Amino acid sequence: GAGVSQSPSNKVTEKGKDVELRCDPISGHTALYWYRQSLGQGLEFLIYFQGNSAPDKSGLPSDRFSAERTGGSVSTLTIQRTQQEDSAVYLCASRGEVWNEQFFGPGTRLTVL
Amino acid sequence: AQKVTQAQTEISVVEKEDVTLDCVYETRDTTYYLFWYKQPPSGELVFLIRRNSFDEQNEISGRYSWNFQKSTSSFNFTITASQVVDSAVYFCALSEASGTYKYIFGTGTRLKVLA
Repeated sequence: GAGVSQSPSNKVTEKGKDVELRCDPISGHTALYWYRQSLGQGLEFLIYFQGNSAPDKSGLPSDRFSAERTGGSVSTLTIQRTQQEDSAVYLCASRGEVWNEQFFGPGTRLTVL
Repeated sequence: AQKVTQAQTEISVVEKEDVTLDCVYETRDTTYYLFWYKQPPSGELVFLIRRNSFDEQNEISGRYSWNFQKSTSSFNFTITASQVVDSAVYFCALSEASGTYKYIFGTGTRLKVLA
C-alpha cells in the first residue's frame, strides 16, 4: 500500500526501558509529524520534520523523548526510561507539497507496565 | 493561542437520522486551515475534508456536508441519513497556513449510530 506505515503496532514495555517507534511516510512526502493520543491529553503534537530543515521539537513533553528522520524518509521516535504516563497511541503523519492535509498511519499502541 | 472546541463528547442517533457535529475554533491568524477526520474503531485517522479560511463555501460530499462560518468561528459537520458504519470518533483540527502546518485537535466527538 501507499499509505503511512508504523511499526510495531503494539509495544508493551517495563517502566525504565527504552523504546523505538518507527514511521514510514508516504513516498514523496517531505513533511512528517508525530502526535500522541492519550485518554487524558487527547491528540497532541510532538515533533515535525520538513526536508533538511531543523525539526520543530516544541511538542516533546520531556527530554526523554527524541526523534530523528534519516534520509528524509523513515523516522524513529525514541522514548528513554519509559514511564507509565508515556502509555498512549503514537501516531505518525505525512504531508505532501501541494495540499496541506496530513495522512496518518495506524499508530503504535505503547503500554508501559 | 489556537484552540479547537468540540463540545459534544458523545452523540447517539438511530440509523437514518441526520446528525450535526459541532466545531468551534479560536485563532489570531487571518489565514488558516480547518479539517475533519474520522477515527473508526480500527484506530486510524481518516481525512475527510480540508477548508481554508478564505473559502466560506459550504461543501457536500454524498451524505456528508460541512458548514463553515467565519463570523461564528465554526466549522460544523452534518451526516445525512446516518448509517451504522458512520459510528466513529470525529475530530476537528486547525492549522496555521504557514510554517509547520501542525494540527491543533479538538477533543473529538464519539458518534454512535444505532440500528
